[in-house]
Amino acid sequence: SQQGEEDPQALSIQEGENATMNCSYKTSINNLQWYRQNSGRGLVHLILIRSNEREKHSGRLRVTLDTSKKSSSLLITASRAADTASYFCATVSTGANSKLTFGKGITLSVRP
Amino acid sequence: GAGVSQSPSNKVTEKGKDVELRCDPISGHTALYWYRQSLGQGLEFLIYFQGNSAPDKSGLPSDRFSAERTGGSVSTLTIQRTQQEDSAVYLCASSLSAGGRHGYTFGSGTRLTVV
Repeated sequence: SQQGEEDPQALSIQEGENATMNCSYKTSINNLQWYRQNSGRGLVHLILIRSNEREKHSGRLRVTLDTSKKSSSLLITASRAADTASYFCATVSTGANSKLTFGKGITLSVRP
Repeated sequence: GAGVSQSPSNKVTEKGKDVELRCDPISGHTALYWYRQSLGQGLEFLIYFQGNSAPDKSGLPSDRFSAERTGGSVSTLTIQRTQQEDSAVYLCASSLSAGGRHGYTFGSGTRLTVV
């Protein structure tokens, strides 16, 4: 079963613009993570935000978390063509031995 | 090793045959996970191992699927009597510990095609 649902499903922007991707989830979580996938193969971990955090930065990435709305957003600033990829949010539910549950992903295209 | 290694990278098999997929996690990572991803879809959890604990097999879609992890390191995912709906990319990941407290490191996956 999938916990996270990303929005939009696809996003196309011009290089240099900012890209905002949203994720909603259903159950209480310990943390939420964002991953990038190029060419349908391995995923790369981008950032992890814990349930008691509201915002986190890593380079050009900014992640917010609103546990009252059960939602998160990933902002990529000053996008580059190399940011073209699929982006997934994944959640870890509360409880022992929980594993990551992924959404279906967002396809981001950055036009040069 | 430096990363999670999966083999083979591609596998084409005939319907009804058995296949074995291998995953070599990062040294020192106690948790190992298997997911599969069908074309254009998200990741579907299959199974995970944590140390010497009994594996969480709750995601295995049928009894044709099984996995083992030997010596707390290398894992093999076996699919018996493969069906066309088993065609997907099978992804392995490892992390420092279970419980999702750390990010996962994924391998490049095995693309399985059942013809």
